[in-house]
Amino acid sequence: AQSVTQLGSHVSVSEGALVLLRCNYSSSVPPYLFWYVQYPNQGLQLLLKYTSAATLVKGINGFEAEFKKSETSFHLTKPSAHMSDAAEYFCAVTDTSGTYKYIFGTGTRLKVLA
Amino acid sequence: KAGVTQTPRYLIKTRGQQVTLSCSPISGHRSVSWYQQTPGQGLQFLFEYFSETQRNKGNFPGRFSGRQFSNSRSEMNVSTLELGDSALYLCASSIDRANEKLFFGSGTQLSVL
Repeated sequence: AQSVTQLGSHVSVSEGALVLLRCNYSSSVPPYLFWYVQYPNQGLQLLLKYTSAATLVKGINGFEAEFKKSETSFHLTKPSAHMSDAAEYFCAVTDTSGTYKYIFGTGTRLKVLA
Repeated sequence: KAGVTQTPRYLIKTRGQQVTLSCSPISGHRSVSWYQQTPGQGLQFLFEYFSETQRNKGNFPGRFSGRQFSNSRSEMNVSTLELGDSALYLCASSIDRANEKLFFGSGTQLSVL
C-alpha cells in the first residue's frame, strides 16, 4: 500500500533562508509524486509534480523537489524564503497502476520569520 | 475557465442531523474526489467518482456517501452527524489520468455542535 510521511508538522525559517520540507513515500509500484500548497481559507494548489521524466522538478514560486529513489524521498526546497511562502504544504503520492487514488501526507505548516 | 465550486462555504449542524455538500468541477473534468481535512490528520480520502460511478473509496463509515451526476457535479452526504465530523471538506476535480494534478475547491467548513 502507498503511504506518505512528512517529517515536521511545523517548520520555521527566517526570511531569506533555505526552505527544506521533507517527504518520504512508500509505494510498491513507480509512483507519481506531488507537492501542494494551501494558503489560509483556500483549497490546495499544485506546486510541482514528478512523473519520471526528470528527477529534479521545478515548480512555481521558486520551489523545486528532487526525487531520490534510493532514499524514497521527495523533499521540497526553496533557496530563499519569502514572507508570502507561509502556508501549509502537502506531499502526495499516486501510483502508475491506474487507480487514480491520491494519498496525502499530514502536512507541514511553514512559518517565515521577519 | 471557472474553478471548482463548493457550496455552501460554511455549515453549522447539530449531532444527529444530516448534511449534503455540493461540488461543481471544472468544465471537462470527469473525475471528482472528496477529502476530509482536520488539523493534524491532513487530508483523508473519502471517495472518488468518475462518470457517475464510485471508482475509489477511503476508510470512512457508511454514514458518508456520495454521488455524481451526468454533468459531473457531485454531492456528498453525511448522515447522523457526530462531533468528530467537524472538518473542512474539500472537493477536487481532474482530467482522467493518474498523473494529472487535482484542482481543489475552497472547501466547505462543517461544524457539528
